[in-house]
Amino acid sequence: GAVVSQHPSRVICKSGTSVKIECRSLDFQATTMFWYRQFPKKSLMLMATSNEGSKATYEQGVEKDKFLINHASLTLSTLTVTSAHPEDSSFYICSATYGASGLQETQYFGPGTRLLVL
Amino acid sequence: ELKVEQNPLFLSMQEGKNYTIYCNYSTTSDRLYWYRQDPGKSLESLFVLLSNGAVKQEGRLMASLDTKARLSTLHITAAVHDLSATYFCAVDFQGAQKLVFGQGTRLTINP
Repeated sequence: GAVVSQHPSRVICKSGTSVKIECRSLDFQATTMFWYRQFPKKSLMLMATSNEGSKATYEQGVEKDKFLINHASLTLSTLTVTSAHPEDSSFYICSATYGASGLQETQYFGPGTRLLVL
Repeated sequence: ELKVEQNPLFLSMQEGKNYTIYCNYSTTSDRLYWYRQDPGKSLESLFVLLSNGAVKQEGRLMASLDTKARLSTLHITAAVHDLSATYFCAVDFQGAQKLVFGQGTRLTINP
């Protein structure tokens, strides 16, 4: 159980275009989803926290107009990188948690999406 | 400032040896996680440590938590090549589920 998927797994786009990344919890309802960014050989940095039906909470330094997050249902959150530039190239990973008592102990991570902006 | 620091950042060891990875954090927390990441892959959850003195073991890996010292350790016993990966610790400060990750320890186990 507790499987999280991401789509696409890999995307290449031209500078100036927008890219949407989907994060789905396949076998549970995720009350909270998180979006992380990881540069090569670096650690994960939390970008934003998203709760179903409400606006995402962005970490300091993350541009909310550039990284649009929508959490439309308990099983789906999307991250849209708008007007992408080469410096946005990175590995984007989502995670999700349960909300039930005793189960909110760990985040389940998706497989990640590798974005390359040319 | 919330900081999580791992030591060492790089570790190359021979099969059959024992070693320990350390994870220090800057502010009180009683939730600490260990993850494994293989190259090009996402994170695999290894351990969740929820209280002072917690110790968990899975195969050749054992993790412990000392909340008073703000220190967690990941001990590898009789290492095998399959354990080669990058290991991250992450701390949940204030129970907000907002994880702050350490830098990661890249572990290479040589035959």
